Amino acid sequence: GAVVSQHPSRVICKSGTSVKIECRSLDFQATTMFWYRQFPKQSLMLMATSNEGSKATYEQGVEKDKFLINHASLTLSTLTVTSAHPEDSSFYICSAPSSGASYNEQFFGPGTRLTVL
Amino acid sequence: DAKTTQPPSMDCAEGRAANLPCNHSTISGNEYVYWYRQIHSQGPQYIIHGLKNNETNEMASLIITEDRKSSTLILPHATLRDTAVYYCIVKGGAQKLVFGQGTRLTINP
Repeated sequence: GAVVSQHPSRVICKSGTSVKIECRSLDFQATTMFWYRQFPKQSLMLMATSNEGSKATYEQGVEKDKFLINHASLTLSTLTVTSAHPEDSSFYICSAPSSGASYNEQFFGPGTRLTVL
Repeated sequence: DAKTTQPPSMDCAEGRAANLPCNHSTISGNEYVYWYRQIHSQGPQYIIHGLKNNETNEMASLIITEDRKSSTLILPHATLRDTAVYYCIVKGGAQKLVFGQGTRLTINP
């Protein structure tokens, strides 16, 4: 199947700093990518939809000024957590639908574990 | 909101078939049933999907009831590596994948 990568796999930062997470589709193009957040022992929560060439759309309750999304190309979307605080510590996962599949199967990245001290 | 209901946890002996149920009584005619699983600290992995016919692939089988209000994912010969959280998701077309709480399946030696 198609491959989605994320970088970094884990990051530790100080409170108040900004952290950028990259999501790449390695062998296919993705005009749309999705960003999820997962707290310990909880399910994945959809944060936003990243759209190549246009603004991201955010789910209700997700602060767009805090979680900046840039979909610069057909294979790269970035999520920047601005002024991170300990409560932002979480597992961030991106996904991309395979455009070639009629049923729109989604491929997920391995996740990025963010710890804010 | 998730449109499915799954038991929070299940156990299965290694080598036996694991049958994971899912209720989706409000499913619409154009919505598919998808199954994903998430092994600890990894991204979710696609398993199988179906509309109304039963489906089988190298990983699992999906049995959908005739009224489409429920389905069962079958792992025919469970191994320890199948221990994961299994998510049943109903989605149509370009809709977003919305995850419920899933079923935590533990395969016991």
